[in-house]
Amino acid sequence: SQTIHQWPATLVQPVGSPLSLECTVEGTSNPNLYWYRQAAGRGLQLLFYSVGIGQISSEVPQNLSASRPQDRQFILSSKKLLLSDSGFYLCAWITGQGFLETQYFGPGTRLLVL
Amino acid sequence: AQSVAQPEDQVNVAEGNPLTVKCTYSVSGNPYLFWYVQYPNRGLQFLLKYITGDNLVKGSYGFEAEFNKSQTSFHLKKPSALVSDSALYFCAVRDGGAYNTDKLIFGTGTRLQVFP
Repeated sequence: SQTIHQWPATLVQPVGSPLSLECTVEGTSNPNLYWYRQAAGRGLQLLFYSVGIGQISSEVPQNLSASRPQDRQFILSSKKLLLSDSGFYLCAWITGQGFLETQYFGPGTRLLVL
Repeated sequence: AQSVAQPEDQVNVAEGNPLTVKCTYSVSGNPYLFWYVQYPNRGLQFLLKYITGDNLVKGSYGFEAEFNKSQTSFHLKKPSALVSDSALYFCAVRDGGAYNTDKLIFGTGTRLQVFP
């Protein structure tokens, strides 16, 4: 079956510390993968998307970066966290074509930067 | 560029009454449209989608949505609301002409509150 994992589920980090959030998918190959952020009381903002290993597109300039070291692995990173990086981070993948297109979302990681 | 607008931050409705959550979109090609629901401290759950075909799409939990090309809208509806429907609802659009490699753009979300 197709599933998507994210960890950790919750993270509290001090300002200036590094960050690494991991997303892995199962049951598919060569997925299109996405990182979204949901700030408190706000909608979803697309941060990065990747159509393949080593291919990253950034949507907004920010303090974060993404990497795709393996086909089914998508990592969100930061060298030095800011207070404004706090939020709920969701990994997602789109599979299928046309009418069969389906998106799967991970359970999310709640990040609090203090 | 693609965009989605959800004009209402919150919608309040009494249990048993019909509900509508509004969504309008802008896309250069053929729109692929989606509705998701988010319960507190949870990820997103897929409700329904419009890709092509019948303008009225039926989805999970009794929800449906109507694609209106002339009004560029995709409003979410349910004939009879339940208290358990209270959650945050997101509309999303993708340019179908980009063939599965383009990004999915979300609206800012509408909080639905159903009162007993």
